Order: sequence, then C-alpha cells, then structure tokens
Amino acid sequence: RKEVEQDPGPFNVPEGATVAFNCTYSNSASQSFFWYRQDCRKEPKLLMSVYSSGNEDGRFTAQLNRASQYISLLIRDSKLSDSATYLCAVTVDGTASKLTFGTGTRLQVTL
Amino acid sequence: DTEVTQTPKHLVMGMTNKKSLKCEQHMGHRAMYWYKQKAKKPPELMFVYSYEKLSINESVPSRFSPECPNSSLLNLHLHALQPEDSALYLCASSRSDRRNEKLFFGSGTQLSVL
Repeated sequence: RKEVEQDPGPFNVPEGATVAFNCTYSNSASQSFFWYRQDCRKEPKLLMSVYSSGNEDGRFTAQLNRASQYISLLIRDSKLSDSATYLCAVTVDGTASKLTFGTGTRLQVTL
Repeated sequence: DTEVTQTPKHLVMGMTNKKSLKCEQHMGHRAMYWYKQKAKKPPELMFVYSYEKLSINESVPSRFSPECPNSSLLNLHLHALQPEDSALYLCASSRSDRRNEKLFFGSGTQLSVL
C-alpha cells in the first residue's frame, strides 16, 4: 500500500461547482499535512496546511480525519483558474520536513 | 513569484557530461531540499540539508552529488547520468527541518539526458 494515496482523476467540473478531493495516508504516526497545487510543468505551490480542527481559506476548506486517516480539500465556486493538479503531502518522519506526496488529483474546470 | 531561484531552467546533457544545478534562497531558511519529479508522478525526496549539513540521503545514486556551500545556496552536481534520470529537479527550502515547517519550491530545472 502506498504511503499517501489520491484518486488521480481527472475531475471535470463546470465553473461554479463545488468539488472535493480526498487523500488517504497509511502511517498513523503522520503529524503534518498539506495541500499543494501544481500547474503543468511548474513547481508545487503550497495551498494550505491542514489542521486537526479543519481550516478555511476563502473558497478552500481542508479537513483532517485522524481516525480514518484521510485529509480532504473542498473547493467551492470553482473557477477556470483552479484547473491544476492538487497534491496532498504528509510528513511521516519525526525529525525532518520529509514530505511524502500523493500522486495528485487532476482538476479541470470547464465553462 | 517563488523566492527560491533555480538555474538553469532547462538542461540537456549527454551521459558523459558533468553539469551542476543551482538553487538559491534569501529567506533565511536553514533547511534545503532536492526533489526529483518524473512526468505524471509526485515529487520524490532526494536530499535534505539542515544548517548546511546533509541530514537525509534517500539512497540516491552517487552520480548525483549535493553540495551546500552556505545557508543560501544548494547545488546538485551531475555526472555520468542515465537517460532515466531525465526529470524535473526541484529545490525547496523551509525555515527549519522540523516536521511542521512549510516547504517552498523553486520553479525547477527540466533535465534531459541523451
């Protein structure tokens, strides 16, 4: 089983739709969780950290479910510019920011 | 708008060449990283430097040789690479190497080995 798993998609949604992605992780000792956005042939850019209590940044909401070992990302009112690959990342090492990335979920927002 | 700068953006090299990738940040970050990303795959960690010392080597072949001359610079020296080493090489930095620190990536070097 992979350490961090995501549905690769693609998720094709119309503009204005709400879309949600999940990411499961296998190591119950994982401590830190992040969502990154990556555009084609570009670097990953940090979208948001994921906290136990859940957190929101504008149209984006992230949740952590430790019991079921998954994190989620909800995007409301999708924009064309949201089209990208969304990577979840988990820190599984206790001493370093040794991020393990999921394979990413591709989102395509259409008119 | 990344504050982590990587050069060159593109590199084509033969299997007998020696080249170097460079990475620079001026955010005062004390941890720096090299990641490798193949097409349609996630980034994979190669090396971590913490306070200019190599702290993690993810069993990377010796044809990849990292160097951290100072707290702002990170190099990756390449020698005798194979075509399967063609990938996007990403540098990243964070304030420290603690587990909850956020990583900021450079725009990467797209490497092609012929």
